[in-house]
Amino acid sequence: GESVGLHLPTLSVQEGDNSIINCAYSNSASDYFIWYKQESGKGPQFIIDIRSNMDKRQGQRVTVLLNKTVKHLSLQIAATQPGDSAVYFCAENILLGGSARQLTFGSGTQLTVLP
Amino acid sequence: EPEVTQTPSHQVTQMGQEVILRCVPISNHLYFYWYRQILGQKVEFLVSFYNNEISEKSEIFDDQFSVERPDGSNFTLKIRSTKLEDSAMYFCASRGGGWTGELFFGEGSRLTVL
Repeated sequence: GESVGLHLPTLSVQEGDNSIINCAYSNSASDYFIWYKQESGKGPQFIIDIRSNMDKRQGQRVTVLLNKTVKHLSLQIAATQPGDSAVYFCAENILLGGSARQLTFGSGTQLTVLP
Repeated sequence: EPEVTQTPSHQVTQMGQEVILRCVPISNHLYFYWYRQILGQKVEFLVSFYNNEISEKSEIFDDQFSVERPDGSNFTLKIRSTKLEDSAMYFCASRGGGWTGELFFGEGSRLTVL
């Protein structure tokens, strides 16, 4: 079954507004989470990550929030721009043993920025 | 900036044919991965490779699939006898050591099985 999933498959926002993309995960052993952006016809591109010992991390225009109590992750994009239109995946990165890791992706949210 | 490169970008093949997808990971990376994405769906893990052997594989990665690192730079995915349902985008990824585990993805190889 799914171990990582997203609440909404699509999200439309006006240019300049803030976007919030949500994600739920179920594996308590996950210690590291990543948000990826995937533009049409391209591979996933790293946006921001967060370790399980943190609850918030900020990047340039992006913030990731982690709530381990309810196993919830969110990506906030400030002042959304047309170039932000893409599919956004959350992914959980699990340490399997030694230094081996496995990245499991959620289903993705299509973000569309409206002019 | 170093990047993961994949070839071919698109391959069309007949059902039952063998296909080899090639990847050149980032040069100092140690861990290599193949993922696939069926059109409109999420990215799915296939296999991870470290120290010249498979370290983890998913249910998708059955006996029809194999991976190889034939030299110091290439990492290949072979599908022995392609099926229609193998049609997908195949992504190669690599990472260095350390805790972060951030994967760097290639642009993908689109496989179309007719």
